[in-house]
Amino acid sequence: DSGVTQTPKHLITATGQRVTLRCSPRSGDLSVYWYQQSLDQGLQFLIQYYNGEERAKGNILERFSAQQFPDLHSELNLSSLELGDSALYFCASSPGTSVSYEQYFGPGTRLTVT
Amino acid sequence: AQSVTQPDIHITVSEGASLELRCNYSYGATPYLFWYVQSPGQGLQLLLKYFSGDTLVQGIKGFEAEFKRSQSSFNLRKPSVHWSDAAEYFCAVGAPVRDDKIIFGKGTRLHILP
Repeated sequence: DSGVTQTPKHLITATGQRVTLRCSPRSGDLSVYWYQQSLDQGLQFLIQYYNGEERAKGNILERFSAQQFPDLHSELNLSSLELGDSALYFCASSPGTSVSYEQYFGPGTRLTVT
Repeated sequence: AQSVTQPDIHITVSEGASLELRCNYSYGATPYLFWYVQSPGQGLQLLLKYFSGDTLVQGIKGFEAEFKRSQSSFNLRKPSVHWSDAAEYFCAVGAPVRDDKIIFGKGTRLHILP
């Protein structure tokens, strides 16, 4: 158990809909990272937040957005969903901003868009 | 920008045999290098990391990796695999100068024969 929790574990929704994925980092960790894992693209970095502020951006679509709240939990919002958005979404946390810190991964949310 | 290649998508070894998983990176200087493991249905867990110093790095679960600058490689090794090592293994690279994200390889799935 990494100490990172993600809800829900599974999500099935239709094209065009909007969903919110939630992540609670390990106690004491200030950084939260979001990743998308799909068969064709592999594990892709989406976005990083540190203590409530956006820190780094990766291959995140404009239809996707994220935020980190004062209690440090984070939410990833996916809108106008397409079939290609079906993937496993991981959240990871670390103590600081540097990638030299170990990232602790949650169990993931499996999103299926039908 | 940094990149990482794992040439083998699948590898099968017999239980008790030695293992080497290949990883090649592209980066202008010495990068941060990581190996993560993903067991079925779980998030990723850090096995080991290299930033500088001794080029042979010891990790958890009996794994080690060797950084070879001349070959731009960071191969993962284990002298004797166990059935519980069956999983997907990801090599990842981070850029110390930018220090904002790590890039994951596509992964190598390890199968263990009894």
